[in-house]
Amino acid sequence: DQQVKQNSPSLSVQEGRISILNCDYTNSMFDYFLWYKKYPAEGPTFLISISSIKDKNEDGRFTVFLNKSAKHLSLHIVPSQPGDSAVYFCAARTSLRNAGNMLTFGGGTRLMVKP
Amino acid sequence: DSGVTQTPKHLITATGQRVTLRCSPRSGDLSVYWYQQSLDQGLQFLIHYYNGEERAKGNILERFSAQQFPDLHSELNLSSLELGDSALYFCASSPNPNTEAFFGQGTRLTVV
Repeated sequence: DQQVKQNSPSLSVQEGRISILNCDYTNSMFDYFLWYKKYPAEGPTFLISISSIKDKNEDGRFTVFLNKSAKHLSLHIVPSQPGDSAVYFCAARTSLRNAGNMLTFGGGTRLMVKP
Repeated sequence: DSGVTQTPKHLITATGQRVTLRCSPRSGDLSVYWYQQSLDQGLQFLIHYYNGEERAKGNILERFSAQQFPDLHSELNLSSLELGDSALYFCASSPNPNTEAFFGQGTRLTVV
């Protein structure tokens, strides 16, 4: 049972355009969401996060949008750069006490930004 | 560089064997997490320790165990290894359970 899903395994975008990566979740107890970027042979790198009390969080070229009613979040990268080419993971967690900081990850989306 | 150090980077071992993966968290981080990334399962949470105590457990097999030592480094022990245990094992750390986790580069385990 995948509680966090990234339905697009890959996405190709032209340099300078917008990249939109999508993520859906099923567990209504999730209240904090994160995006990680992963290059080959490296560990995931934290990018941006959003709490369920917000619907948008922006950090430079990266913006995350949260639609709680649809249980959907998206990551927008504007403008996209070739260095953004990586695998992007959506992750979610609940602040329930016995959950620790357990992150549930989506399967990842491979973003390719073409020069 | 995330500041989280994992050793070894690569490990090849035979079925039935036992291995120990080591993780040094970022300076000052009390929380350590272990994740497994296999080809067909994505990133799966294994276990979380906070200041030496187990805080949460995920889908960790009984053949696997972990601990966090007083100096806050952590070890993940995998025993009676099977071919299906071949995967990337990531350690992550954070100052406390409510902050973002920073991942190490991972240990690639190959069981032959």
